[in-house]
Amino acid sequence: QKEVEQNSGPLSVPEGAIASLNCTYSDRGSQSFFWYRQYSGKSPELIMFIYSNGDKEDGRFTAQLNKASQYVSLLIRDSQPSDSATYLCAVNGKAAGNKLTFGGGTRVLVKP
Amino acid sequence: SQTIHQWPATLVQPVGSPLSLECTVEGTSNPNLYWYRQAAGRGLQLLFYSIGIDQISSEVPQNLSASRPQDRQFILSSKKLLLSDSGFYLCAWAPAGPHNEQFFGPGTRLTVL
Repeated sequence: QKEVEQNSGPLSVPEGAIASLNCTYSDRGSQSFFWYRQYSGKSPELIMFIYSNGDKEDGRFTAQLNKASQYVSLLIRDSQPSDSATYLCAVNGKAAGNKLTFGGGTRVLVKP
Repeated sequence: SQTIHQWPATLVQPVGSPLSLECTVEGTSNPNLYWYRQAAGRGLQLLFYSIGIDQISSEVPQNLSASRPQDRQFILSSKKLLLSDSGFYLCAWAPAGPHNEQFFGPGTRLTVL
């Protein structure tokens, strides 16, 4: 079992719809959870991070964390073609110290 | 505000040649620093990380090495490049703290021929 798992996609979403991305992790002691966006050929960009159970909203993005079920999700509301990218989930596990464990990423395609 | 620089942006090197990639961070002190590699179409592979000057942890045994001669400078090196060293090399920094949120530099795309 991978430490951080994501569906590789592609997740195809009509423009204006909600894109829902999921990420599961194996380290129950994980403390902080991150979502990065990576455009093709570019470096990852931190979108938001969450460390408490529940929802955290930032603009069109909402991160949801459920530590009991060991998953974190990202919702993108009013999806735009510019949201087409690969989204990486990363976890700061208790045993990892100063390191993050990244998932393989979910590719999102927003179609006009 | 904090800024992270990497150079060069692109590099084409022959097999067996040496390598030196540099990363510098501005606007912060005592950051954690990281080197990752991303092969084409693949995920991020952590190569090295550092929590302080001359404190380097290696994640993957290979022909690469890293050094941190100054607080905000991180260097990735190789004495002899292999074809398999081709990839997108990313430097990242994180503030010292409980959450370890990492911020990436623009990256260096290395092609070994």
